[in-house]
Amino acid sequence: DIVMTQSPDSLAVSLGERATINCTSSQSIFYSSNNKNYLAWYQQKPGQPPRLLIYWASSRESGVPARFSGGGSGTDFTLTISSLQAEDVAGYYCQQYLSLPWTFGQGTKVDIK
Amino acid sequence: QVQLQESGPGLVKPSETLSLTCTVSGASIINYYWSWIRQPPGKGLEVIGYFSYRSTNYNPSLKSRVSISADTSNNQFSLHLRSVTAADTALYYCAKLGALGLGYFDYWGRGTLVTVSA
Repeated sequence: DIVMTQSPDSLAVSLGERATINCTSSQSIFYSSNNKNYLAWYQQKPGQPPRLLIYWASSRESGVPARFSGGGSGTDFTLTISSLQAEDVAGYYCQQYLSLPWTFGQGTKVDIK
Repeated sequence: QVQLQESGPGLVKPSETLSLTCTVSGASIINYYWSWIRQPPGKGLEVIGYFSYRSTNYNPSLKSRVSISADTSNNQFSLHLRSVTAADTALYYCAKLGALGLGYFDYWGRGTLVTVSA
């Protein structure tokens, strides 16, 4: 199985500041045949199911605010919230979907400083 | 708008079978790929398996105990997990896979908590 590791486990950022979450896969999730990274990011607020934010490592899902962006390639990826808002307090998960079984990172909790 | 709703018993005894149903509205289950995902309390997410009209695939860690089936007449699909233990206590979600069955999840149910206890 591909192991997904996120860092940090939690972070606190001031409102309006940048938040960056890292995700590393135990093997490359880049598929050269289509030049795509098979990585998604989700946001999960307490008592709610996960919400898809990003797929193909950097493609924003419809309706997701532009302050959320994804980057990286191969084994190292980032989710950036450019200007943290109060409603962004949540857990964030990365997920690889290149290889079965699809696997998630352990999650990163984002709070307001 | 696609909507999913999980239903089933909230309490299952050890060694018995956990059975859940996901009712889908806004999309026909025969046209897309669907999945079950679980989240133990305070822990991360695990994909149990996925299915389409033509194929089914299970997480090897659960493969010997799990099956997913479809009821197309009611636009539902179900999860059956046999011989459960306390380790199967979790919030169980049903979800829709992305376009063309790509393995990300673009719609989720709200989840249903299943506790395994005598």
